[in-house]
Amino acid sequence: DQQVKQNSPSLSVQEGRISILNCDYTNSMFDYFLWYKKYPAEGPTFLISISSIKDKNEDGRFTVFLNKSAKHLSLHIVPSQPGDSAVYFCAASEEGGAQKLVFGQGTRLTINP
Amino acid sequence: DTGVSQDPRHKITKRGQNVTFRCDPISEHNRLYWYRQTLGQGPEFLTYFQNEAQLEKSRLLSDRFSAERPKGSFSTLEIQRTEQGDSAMYLCASSFLGYSGGEQFFGPGTRLTVL
Repeated sequence: DQQVKQNSPSLSVQEGRISILNCDYTNSMFDYFLWYKKYPAEGPTFLISISSIKDKNEDGRFTVFLNKSAKHLSLHIVPSQPGDSAVYFCAASEEGGAQKLVFGQGTRLTINP
Repeated sequence: DTGVSQDPRHKITKRGQNVTFRCDPISEHNRLYWYRQTLGQGPEFLTYFQNEAQLEKSRLLSDRFSAERPKGSFSTLEIQRTEQGDSAMYLCASSFLGYSGGEQFFGPGTRLTVL
């Protein structure tokens, strides 16, 4: 049972435009959500997180939106840069992030010059 | 560098052999997690420790797998009688319970290949 789903295996965006990565979850107990970026042969790098008491969190070029009623979150990257090309994972946790992370399958983002 | 470190980075072994991986977390972090990632999938939780206590183990962690964190600092993950299905990237992460966020910081991983 895949509790966190990223339905787009890949996404290609032109440099300077907006990248939007999507994630859906099924477990109502999840109350903390995170996005990680992963380059080949490296561990995931934390990008941004959001608690379920919020619907938006912003950090520089990265913004995460949470729609609890739809059990959906998205990551917006504006403007997209070539260095953003990587695999992005959505993750969810219970108890404010104190529990294990449950990851989606990842979306490979490619930024084209 | 005060990030999470893992050793070795790569391990090739023959089926049936035992292997052990080490993880050194960020020094002030009291929680340590092990995950496993296979090609095309996201990391899957294996087990975690708070200080030296192992608090949860996944159903994925068969009795061939054992993890320890003897002094609440570094951790080891041992796989006995390796099988080809154990080939994966083994990731370690650490966090500090008490921060308002629940961010886990990952190491570079140990890639295991079982021949």
